[in-house]
Amino acid sequence: QSALTQPASVSGSPGQSITISCTGTSSDVGSYNVVSWYQQHPGKAPKLMIYEDSKRPSGVSNRFSGSKSGNTASLTISGLQAEDEADYYCCSYAGSSTWVFGGGTKLTVL
Amino acid sequence: QVQLQQSGPGLVKPSQTLSLTCAISGDSVSSNSAAWNWIRQSPSRGLEWLGRTYQRSKWYNDYAVSVKSRVIINPDTSKNQFSLQLYSVTPEDTAVYYCARAGDPTTYAFDIWGQGTMVTVSS
Repeated sequence: QSALTQPASVSGSPGQSITISCTGTSSDVGSYNVVSWYQQHPGKAPKLMIYEDSKRPSGVSNRFSGSKSGNTASLTISGLQAEDEADYYCCSYAGSSTWVFGGGTKLTVL
Repeated sequence: QVQLQQSGPGLVKPSQTLSLTCAISGDSVSSNSAAWNWIRQSPSRGLEWLGRTYQRSKWYNDYAVSVKSRVIINPDTSKNQFSLQLYSVTPEDTAVYYCARAGDPTTYAFDIWGQGTMVTVSS
């Protein structure tokens, strides 16, 4: 299956909100309510930020929120902070016990 | 607190076998509510899920189509760890390899990750 589609980069100023999109198909994002989002700082392992489209794991700031409409999921970060600068990846179950990731989005905090 | 500790060589010759191990602390490889995954990351392929092993009433394995013909993921209950073996590697398999847990309640997401192992395929 093909990777999910994300914008290569987004940027925002401290305190602002940004949204990262993740577009899949009716075979993955559109079929299952299990999109997850990961934050990755340089040289580090990815960190789970959102699961099941919109749920936050314990310990993740409520500035991070997820949503989904049809074949497109979105991650919104409100009140941008310098430490939010990182790469963000979406992921979806794709059926037949397989998973597919997005290509990643580089977030720059101006 | 669940932690995953990876080990294995960082350099593998073409056509040989890539072997990595992921030791689990704070959880059990035999857990009925977790699955143990391998994921890799490269500039050319991005993040790529490779496969998983998990136990319910018996042991199960699932693999990505892209590597299915040459990958095995095995649990080791005596050492509470699981391993990745990728056969007949080529330079295209050069990547950072991660082990990761998909656990309760994040059943379809990867909530705990290992530190990553950079594996280079080169003669």
